Amino acid sequence: SQTIHQWPATLVQPVGSPLSLECTVEGTSNPNLYWYRQAAGRGLQLLFYSVGIGQISSEVPQNLSASRPQDRQFILSSKKLLLSDSGFYLCAWRAGGSYNEQFFGPGTRLTVL
Amino acid sequence: DQQVKQNSPSLSVQEGRISILNCDYTNSMFDYFLWYKKYPAEGPTFLISISSIKDKNEDGRFTVFLNKSAKHLSLHIVPSQPGDSAVYFCAARAGGGNKLTFGTGTQLKVEL
Repeated sequence: SQTIHQWPATLVQPVGSPLSLECTVEGTSNPNLYWYRQAAGRGLQLLFYSVGIGQISSEVPQNLSASRPQDRQFILSSKKLLLSDSGFYLCAWRAGGSYNEQFFGPGTRLTVL
Repeated sequence: DQQVKQNSPSLSVQEGRISILNCDYTNSMFDYFLWYKKYPAEGPTFLISISSIKDKNEDGRFTVFLNKSAKHLSLHIVPSQPGDSAVYFCAARAGGGNKLTFGTGTQLKVEL
């Protein structure tokens, strides 16, 4: 069966510090991978998605970047965090082809102080 | 531009009764719709979905109805249980796309 991991689970970082959140998927090959953010009291905002190694699509201009160095690894990064980067970050995967359902990881709670 | 809207931020229902969560969309290219359930500090879990070629899909206590002409879908939970208390998101996919567009969620509280 497929599983998706995210770490760390929680993170408190000062403004201006760098960020690296990691997501890995097990039990599937060539998945589509997604990064979402849920800000307090708001819905799920798609940040980035990837259909393959090295292929990144950015949905909104922001202070973040994403990379996919391996088939089942997706990384969310920032060089300098802003207060507005605080939120709950979720990674998700979807099987390639015609499948529609996305499956989410447990999330990372990021607080920027 | 909010293409998927959940206009009720919260809903309170008594245990055993029916919960009806609503979702409206504006993009006529959406052809597949999903509902997710989310507990605090956890990732959303997939509940049920429906293709635009259908108007109803049922899975146990959960039924999703789609009204394409009204661009409206709803999730019915019957009977509601306390463990159903969570935030429910509807999501939609445009034909052949890789992305889902999510609504802002509805907080369901099932009271004893």
